[in-house]
Amino acid sequence: GAGVSQTPSNKVTEKGKYVELRCDPISGHTALYWYRQSLGQGPEFLIYFQGTGAADDSGLPNDRFFAVRPEGSVSTLKIQRTERGDSAVYLCASSLGLGAGGYTFGSGTRLTVV
Amino acid sequence: AQTVTQSQPEMSVQEAETVTLSCTYDTSESDYYLFWYKQPPSRQMILVIRQEAYKQQNATENRFSVNFQKAAKSFSLKISDSQLGDAAMYFCAYDSYQGAQKLVFGQGTRLTINP
Repeated sequence: GAGVSQTPSNKVTEKGKYVELRCDPISGHTALYWYRQSLGQGPEFLIYFQGTGAADDSGLPNDRFFAVRPEGSVSTLKIQRTERGDSAVYLCASSLGLGAGGYTFGSGTRLTVV
Repeated sequence: AQTVTQSQPEMSVQEAETVTLSCTYDTSESDYYLFWYKQPPSRQMILVIRQEAYKQQNATENRFSVNFQKAAKSFSLKISDSQLGDAAMYFCAYDSYQGAQKLVFGQGTRLTINP
């Protein structure tokens, strides 16, 4: 597609529920990144894919968070047993190979856990 | 680990005037990239300007320019002839030249343009 698409745009869920956030990168971009942006803060790195594999998942806060990219294109960020502290905007970005400023961001998913 | 600090939570400027946003960073690397991103209410991060650390010349993009002081680890953004459309959150960010593949962002500065 022309840009990075993230769905849903907004998600409200109850504490303890499971959620999936989807990212559709720019066609041909091999690298894909997830960031979490809490209210009033800058984005924080969660995980980076090069192709289908997670090259760096050091930013995932705990084992309730998991992300996949099975065919090297669309990625899904999965959060189990959601907590109120998971409320944030989840941003996805993609790049053609190594980033170095060639990152294109989506508009994010605002997750609210009530 | 690298850190990025933006000490100005909010800034305001009159339309058509010039404003400078501050950013400092900490790193032990010699080669890296620095960026300024704009985030409007649509939430999408938009690249404003990029600087390679090995380049001594300050980057410019139309009304946007940076003052890169490598020894001082300072990277400020100057916006000239401010326009109403410049109002947004601005984030300074750091990226390793190779390997890390993850942006480290500052806390952001909210820029208001007064008509």
